[in-house]
Amino acid sequence: QVQLQESGPGLVKPSQTLSLTCTVSGASIGSGTYYWSWIRQPAGGGLEWIGRFCTSGSTNYNPSLKSRVSISVDTSKNQFSLDMTSVTAADTAVYYCTRGGPLNSAYEYYFDYWGQGTLVTVSS
Amino acid sequence: DIQMTQSPSSLSTSVGDRVTITCRASQDIRNNLGWYQQKPGKAPERLVYAASRLQSGVPSTFSGSGSGTEFTLTISSLQPEDFATYYCLQYNSYPPTFGQGTKVEIK
Repeated sequence: QVQLQESGPGLVKPSQTLSLTCTVSGASIGSGTYYWSWIRQPAGGGLEWIGRFCTSGSTNYNPSLKSRVSISVDTSKNQFSLDMTSVTAADTAVYYCTRGGPLNSAYEYYFDYWGQGTLVTVSS
Repeated sequence: DIQMTQSPSSLSTSVGDRVTITCRASQDIRNNLGWYQQKPGKAPERLVYAASRLQSGVPSTFSGSGSGTEFTLTISSLQPEDFATYYCLQYNSYPPTFGQGTKVEIK
């Protein structure tokens, strides 16, 4: 069973960098078989895809966030991370890490396994 | 980006009722659409992929249909555990986009 767990600070000051880590168990992110993504959800709001990577494929970001986000990978720890710079109150949300579909399939952007989510509040 | 418009945004209904939720895409997405269920404080859970294929373990009271730009999720007989918010997701094109959600509440 694939499991994902987000971790990171729950409070970030405006203009600073939000950093989160996702630890994966039950699957190897280094296998290069699947895409792995970050998705966020403001309180009471909808879902927004942030970006994804595959160790055998590419790294892609939502154009609306591309200038502020980056995803990095540590295959030795089976973890991947999200950095978002210059945060504002509008970045307050629950952040989820997810697994997307297999590389080169129609399901690359279909998310099957999700972490429980972590709330990040941007406030001074 | 492809815009996904769900309707209604909320509905009040009773156990045993039939519920239909619609999702419209701003462009043709073929059958590359999924449906998710989300309960308060939990992550979304997958229900349907490829517009009409039920994920393993999803009750047969759920069904999905549609292709192109119009899609529906139907719950044939609402159960107490089905009260939740439902989201559609288009995964045909980058970036993937979700509908705004439909909250199914108890009347």
